[in-house]
Amino acid sequence: GAVVSQHPSRVICKSGTSVKIECRSLDFQATTMFWYRQFPKQSLMLMATSNEGSKATYEQGVEKDKFLINHASLTLSTLTVTSAHPEDSSFYICSARDRVDTGELFFGEGSRLTVL
Amino acid sequence: KQEVTQIPAALSVPEGENLVLNCSFTDSAIYNLQWFRQDPGKGLTSLLLIQSSQREQTSGRLNASLDKSSGRSTLYIAASQPGDSATYLCAVPNSGNTPLVFGKGTRLSVIA
Repeated sequence: GAVVSQHPSRVICKSGTSVKIECRSLDFQATTMFWYRQFPKQSLMLMATSNEGSKATYEQGVEKDKFLINHASLTLSTLTVTSAHPEDSSFYICSARDRVDTGELFFGEGSRLTVL
Repeated sequence: KQEVTQIPAALSVPEGENLVLNCSFTDSAIYNLQWFRQDPGKGLTSLLLIQSSQREQTSGRLNASLDKSSGRSTLYIAASQPGDSATYLCAVPNSGNTPLVFGKGTRLSVIA
């Protein structure tokens, strides 16, 4: 299957700082990428949908000014957690759909964010 | 709004047993259904994708079935092994071909 890569896999930061997480589709072009968040022992919750070249669509309850999403190319989407606080500590996972739409979603390895 | 339920929440079986994981969804107008595996602290590995027009898909010891009209899917694992221990997630699009909605998963432990 297609490969989606996330970086970094783990990041620890101080409260008030910003953290950027990258999501890359390695062997295909992704016009659409999705960002999910997962709390311990919980399922994945969709945060936002990013479309190449346009603004991201955020799910209800997700602050767009806090979770900045940029999808500037067909192979890269970034999620920036701005002014991070301990409650933002979570597992963030991105996913992408192949440009030739089969409906199948491929997921990155996830990024564990810990805010001290 | 699509809702996905997985039963049981946790399952522990001895090695070699065959087992069935269940998934149900409220809106049967789905585009497809995916089963994933997630190891602790890791991302998701896609196991099987069933299109809405299909009844089942097989990959090795895994077989997934889909009954759209009743809003159900099952994942059958044959001859379970300790390496199968993980959380298994079922997911369907919220509607049409939109982002996936996930169940809470079934945490499987296969005891050697």
